[in-house]
Amino acid sequence: SAVISQKPSRDICQRGTSLTIQCQVDSQVTMMFWYRQQPGQSLTLIATANQGSEATYESGFVIDKFPISRPNLTFSTLTVSNMSPEDSSIYLCSVDFQQGNGYTFGSGTRLTVV
Amino acid sequence: GQQLNQSPQSMFIQEGEDVSMNCTSSSIFNTWLWYKQDPGEGPVLLIALYKAGELTSNGRLTAQFGTTRKDSFLNISASIPSDVGIYFCAETNRDDKIIFGKGTRLHILP
Repeated sequence: SAVISQKPSRDICQRGTSLTIQCQVDSQVTMMFWYRQQPGQSLTLIATANQGSEATYESGFVIDKFPISRPNLTFSTLTVSNMSPEDSSIYLCSVDFQQGNGYTFGSGTRLTVV
Repeated sequence: GQQLNQSPQSMFIQEGEDVSMNCTSSSIFNTWLWYKQDPGEGPVLLIALYKAGELTSNGRLTAQFGTTRKDSFLNISASIPSDVGIYFCAETNRDDKIIFGKGTRLHILP
């Protein structure tokens, strides 16, 4: 299966600032996704990162708050903009490496906003 | 919209005991997935189910796709300390995106 490297693994940020999270996959994948996992909660899909076009956002998530880039088939970034303490979560990227056989997840970025 | 109800929310068991958890869906879908998440890690796929009635094992884990296509269960036999973690059921929606249940937190008592 795909190996996913996610950076940073954790960060503590000041409110009002922005953080960009990187996701690198060791092979080309068609579909890349970004999830959020709030403390003690399940995973919620933020958006699908589309190569060559704008990301597709789920209900409740907007591009201004979570801009996403996908310059090629192995890399994506998620930015958490103008952060507030409510943005403190684990952010995970995932890929559909084996189509229809479940996603592979990165280890996540644990973000704390103070 | 699609909703997954996973139970129990948490379990406290003795090492060596068998574990059972289940998931029900408000809709009929074609895939059930079971993931495990260890602390500080992303979820890892344990078992994927694609057909109603399908029963699949992965070592001490067994999962079944319910015949109504609205439910699934995961059993763990003879639990060991490394089974501790959060287990999520998940489904793929019609856009092939994965939707997760709320998770079952498994604790093993010393």
